[in-house]
Amino acid sequence: AQSVSQHNHHVILSEAASLELGCNYSYGGTVNLFWYVQYPGQHLQLLLKYFSGDPLVKGIKGFEAEFIKSKFSFNLRKPSVQWSDTAEYFCAVNSRIKAAGNKLTFGGGTRVLVKP
Amino acid sequence: GAGVSQTPSNKVTEKGKYVELRCDPISGHTALYWYRQSLGQGPEFLIYFQGTGAADDSGLPNDRFFAVRPEGSVSTLKIQRTERGDSAVYLCASSLGGPRGNEQFFGPGTRLTVL
Repeated sequence: AQSVSQHNHHVILSEAASLELGCNYSYGGTVNLFWYVQYPGQHLQLLLKYFSGDPLVKGIKGFEAEFIKSKFSFNLRKPSVQWSDTAEYFCAVNSRIKAAGNKLTFGGGTRVLVKP
Repeated sequence: GAGVSQTPSNKVTEKGKYVELRCDPISGHTALYWYRQSLGQGPEFLIYFQGTGAADDSGLPNDRFFAVRPEGSVSTLKIQRTERGDSAVYLCASSLGGPRGNEQFFGPGTRLTVL
């Protein structure tokens, strides 16, 4: 069975600091990888995704993530955060096998608080 | 265009009662998913529809939970004999079918509270 682990439950940092959120997954086959973000009072939104090709993926709002296959990791980064990046971040994975039906397996989430 | 909508946004019920939660997917999306998010956790998969049929219901916790999508658009998640442990936010997502149709668009969720 697939599983996703996010290392930090809570992160507090100041504006302009760099952010890195860890994500490791466990799955024997080929996967697609996602980061979703949930801003306060809003619904889940896709931040970025990796299907294939360049393992360094650039998303919206200056976020990027790097897929390291040998480490089963897909860490999220942003060089300089803003107060508006305060949100909960979820890493997710699904299988490339058609029969698996694209269901997402999510990590537990990381709450990020950016202090102004 | 319109996103995924869910009604009601909040539902408070008593233990043992029956509830229905509704999801309106993005127009043209053939795939529809239900997830459940308990406090402090990530969403957990419940069931997936491709068109009208439930292609994968492996995430439904027990036979009190059932979902339908009779015309391949709107879906209803039904919970019988609710228990306090069913309290959670129920999320619906939809996506296009096909090999690149993996991006799921989420609705705002229905917060279910069972007293």
